[in-house]
Amino acid sequence: AQSVTQLDSQVPVFEEAPVELRCNYSSSVSVYLFWYVQYPNQGLQLLLKYLSGSTLVKGINGFEAEFNKSQTSFHLRKPSVHISDTAEYFCAVKGSGTYKYIFGTGTRLKVLA
Amino acid sequence: EAGVVQSPRYKIIEKKQPVAFWCNPISGHNTLYWYLQNLGQGPELLIRYENEEAVDDSQLPKDRFSAERLKGVDSTLKIQPAELGDSAVYLCASSYDTRELFFGEGSRLTVL
Repeated sequence: AQSVTQLDSQVPVFEEAPVELRCNYSSSVSVYLFWYVQYPNQGLQLLLKYLSGSTLVKGINGFEAEFNKSQTSFHLRKPSVHISDTAEYFCAVKGSGTYKYIFGTGTRLKVLA
Repeated sequence: EAGVVQSPRYKIIEKKQPVAFWCNPISGHNTLYWYLQNLGQGPELLIRYENEEAVDDSQLPKDRFSAERLKGVDSTLKIQPAELGDSAVYLCASSYDTRELFFGEGSRLTVL
């Protein structure tokens, strides 16, 4: 079975500052990892995903994440945030041979002017 | 290409009333999911379909919830009767393989 822990429920950051949203997972099998973003009153939109290969994954809107197998982490980063990045961010894990996605509880990113 | 379409977007009902949500997945996506998202939480799987077959409904509260996916395309999720604790967002998602989920905008239910 897989599980996901998002260590920060809320992250306030000033505009143009860097940000890191943390995600740790546990699994006994190889995994796929995902970050989704949810804007108010909308569904989830895929930011990026790790399936295999390079451990540094680049996504939309300038976000990137690094898969660290030894630390079982998949932290999301952006070097300079914008007001429009204010949203809820969800990390998710899935066993590579399964259809079951496990989502974290989310991190609310609030970008301050 | 059209995304996953859900309706209604918002629904307010009295407790003990029935309610139904509809989902039209992306064309060609054989796998369809219904998720429950409580306030401040991540999505939790209710049911997964492969074509017409419900292959994982272990988390669906079958005493009051039901779902169907006739002809392997559209799907309907029903709650009867609704309880106060059912207030949440019901998300539909679809996929064509195991590598990505595509979500609809969700149906927000308020039970009074």
